[in-house]
Amino acid sequence: DAGITQSPRHKVTETGTPVTLRCHQTENHRYMYWYRQDPGHGLRLIHYSYGVKDTDKGEVSDGYSVSRSKTEDFLLTLESATSSQTSVYFCAIGAGGLYEQYFGPGTRLTVT
Amino acid sequence: AQSVTQLDSQVPVFEEAPVELRCNYSSSVSVYLFWYVQYPNQGLQLLLKYLSGSTLVKGINGFEAEFNKSQTSFHLRKPSVHISDTAEYFCAVSGRVTGANNLFFGTGTRLTVIP
Repeated sequence: DAGITQSPRHKVTETGTPVTLRCHQTENHRYMYWYRQDPGHGLRLIHYSYGVKDTDKGEVSDGYSVSRSKTEDFLLTLESATSSQTSVYFCAIGAGGLYEQYFGPGTRLTVT
Repeated sequence: AQSVTQLDSQVPVFEEAPVELRCNYSSSVSVYLFWYVQYPNQGLQLLLKYLSGSTLVKGINGFEAEFNKSQTSFHLRKPSVHISDTAEYFCAVSGRVTGANNLFFGTGTRLTVIP
């Protein structure tokens, strides 16, 4: 998995609670991404980062925030979890100018 | 804006038969194209990529894809599939977006190899 870990791998939480997912890389890549995967939708970009403290919104950013205080860590926060945020979340890192991305193992989040 | 259409959501095929997974894209700028594979309960793994040059691209596990600019297609092929090829396959297109390079994914094609 190209030196990418995600934690936790599985989480069950209640509606209305905050949740933070962590992505950690050992590759020193500049770009990092958060996607969610849902049946019939493929992967959709939530937020991305192009450097420490440099982040921007993706296609489905409502209800999510991110932070990147170190090159190796990219955090995704669900400020107040809702059932519609039940999904599998993938982190990816960008390999620079050739645009390809490498993905972590995923976090399965269930909001009850 | 970039987008990707994967024409088949599910493709069943018998073992050792050939397979083609179809992908069409739309983009107003030069594109880079990718195929990823996702095995059950795993992350996505890069199968192959087209950046420039030869339109026939070879990837891992015996897969290849052909970039056709006039038909805006990037179909994935394998001449003889194995049980272990059962997985979900995603086509993706990349484009120049201010601030960062992003990928736009299709909705996926589930390949099932039948013994």
